[in-house]
This record gives sequence, C-alpha cells and structure tokens, in this order.
Amino acid sequence: NAGVTQTPKFQVLKTGQSMTLQCAQDMNHNSMYWYRQDPGMGLRLIYYSASEGTTDKGEVPNGYNVSRLNKREFSLRLESAAPSQTSVYFCASSEAGPNEKLFFGSGTQLSVL
Amino acid sequence: QKEVEQDPGPLSVPEGAIVSLNCTYSNSAFQYFMWYRQYSRKGPELLMYTYSSGNKEDGRFTAQVDKSSKYISLFIRDSQPSDSATYLCAMTSTNDYKLSFGAGTTVTVRA
Repeated sequence: NAGVTQTPKFQVLKTGQSMTLQCAQDMNHNSMYWYRQDPGMGLRLIYYSASEGTTDKGEVPNGYNVSRLNKREFSLRLESAAPSQTSVYFCASSEAGPNEKLFFGSGTQLSVL
Repeated sequence: QKEVEQDPGPLSVPEGAIVSLNCTYSNSAFQYFMWYRQYSRKGPELLMYTYSSGNKEDGRFTAQVDKSSKYISLFIRDSQPSDSATYLCAMTSTNDYKLSFGAGTTVTVRA
C-alpha cells in the first residue's frame, strides 16, 4: 500500500550541480504533478503530466525539466541547481485532473549551497 | 496580489476548542474547493472537498463555501492534539490543471 513514493528524502547540492528527483505511484493514476513548497508561498506547481506521454509547464517551470517515463513514474530534473531552488519538493498523483483527490508523496528536502 | 489568501497564523488553541480557518480568493471561475492537512515533514492529505457553494460536514470537520463573497472556511469542533498540523486551502476550476493553494495555517491544539 505504498501510494506515491519519492526519492531521495533529503539532498544537498552545490550551485551548478545536477540531480533528478524520482517519483512513482502504484494507484494506476493518469495524472502526476511536481510541486515545490516554500515558507509563506504555499504549494506551487512546477510541471504536470495529464497522461502518459504528455507533460506541461505549471506555474514555476524555469530551471526544471520532467520526464513521464511510463504511467507509474514521473521524474524532475534540475540541470544546474541554484540557491533559489532550495525548497521542499512534492510529487502527487490523481486519477484524472486536480479537481479530484491528489495523493502526495512524503517530499524531498533539497538544499542548494 | 495572490490568487488565494490564507492567514498563516500560527494558531494555538486549548483542547476541545473550535478551530476556525479561512481563505479568500480572487478568481470567480473556481468551482472546486478543498482543504488539505499536512503534518510536519509529511505530504498533504485531502481532508475536505466541496464543489461549488454550500456546506459539507464530516465528523468534527465542516467546510463552508461562499462563492458570492469568494470566501471559504473550515471549522474543527472539539479539537484534539492530533489535529495539530498545517491546513492548506486549495481550489481550481473546470479544465484547469493548476490547483491554487493558500500559504497554509499552522494550528497547535494544546492538551
């Protein structure tokens, strides 16, 4: 009964380094999302995938890329990390759109020095 | 101006008190209104879901939506220490893939 699994849970990067955040869901959901959460800002959508094979930009996509590898997996890549990308990142999934229940992973705490 | 405004608190109440949380919004197209609860170092989980205007009750929780005032509320009756968490309002419109979140209100229920 895993739901949405994110890895890693914690990561420290130096400015300019790259990394990929992994996300997988086992609920056969069509839609997947990447959000970032910053103090006082709430959750902001980075990218989403409405269905397997499609991805679209959200509110704050600059500096990120995504891949919907298959129906289960949706990864987020930082090509050249910047201190402004220090945040907590959440992956989520839903059966269809965001007007349905979103299931969130437990988050990745990322620090960029 | 943010699309969704939510007082971040923090809010501290004694056990058994009624907790009142609210959000205001500016987009009149919003039709789906949700409250998510987030425990420390965890992902948010859906607590209440309301479509359009009206009230919804689930146990100790009541969600209210007033579309004419662009205002939504969450009430927690007989609050318990286990209700201590951050509560995030969220809303969206039909065919929109962006769920707009409030900043979250941190609630502490003192035993």
